[in-house]
Amino acid sequence: EAGVTQSPTHLIKTRGQQATLRCSPISGHTSVYWYQQALGLGLQFLLWYDEGEERNRGNFPPRFSGRQFPNYSSELNVNALELEDSALYLCASRTLLAGGEKTQYFGPGTRLLVL
Amino acid sequence: ELKVEQNPLFLSMQEGKNYTIYCNYSTTSDRLYWYRQDPGKSLESLFVLLSNGAVKQEGRLMASLDTKARLSTLHITAAVHDLSATYFCAVALNYGGSQGNLIFGKGTKLSVKP
Repeated sequence: EAGVTQSPTHLIKTRGQQATLRCSPISGHTSVYWYQQALGLGLQFLLWYDEGEERNRGNFPPRFSGRQFPNYSSELNVNALELEDSALYLCASRTLLAGGEKTQYFGPGTRLLVL
Repeated sequence: ELKVEQNPLFLSMQEGKNYTIYCNYSTTSDRLYWYRQDPGKSLESLFVLLSNGAVKQEGRLMASLDTKARLSTLHITAAVHDLSATYFCAVALNYGGSQGNLIFGKGTKLSVKP
């Protein structure tokens, strides 16, 4: 069974540009989460999508946005990039079936560098 | 606000020694997770702990959960170099009756030296 996939693996942008990151969840998983891992700041929750709807967002400015498509894949958009947006962006998915461990499985990440 | 605190943040161990990583969290949650991250890599799920008194073991790692104390521990037995990594605990946020996002501790960077 394929795991969570993310693209691209690396992305280099300059300040003020826009970045688009993509995530495909594990087959059968309908919930997708985005996290940011910036140096020195740990893992911070960005966005949660479930059945195409945004269910919750972390403490990030509105220039961080995203969407979930009918096939449950997801896109994270970061507008007006700032230097401090440089980080590893991780996508995770989990099943919404009742009960069970509900583990979030993580993709390999997209490393974004803003120059 | 749910907070998750891990300690220590850095741990240098000799091979063959035992040690424990602690994870405290501030509010009730029905699931606690432990993940491992190797340098430059993503997070690998190690354990999910669902109830008070839960204990799970995999190789040289054993995790336990005390929901009354809001404390989880990750015990390392007879450490080997391959266990060198950063270990995160995470607690699931309850959102409208279903499991929401995870709140992570800052991670414990473990270095096992020969």
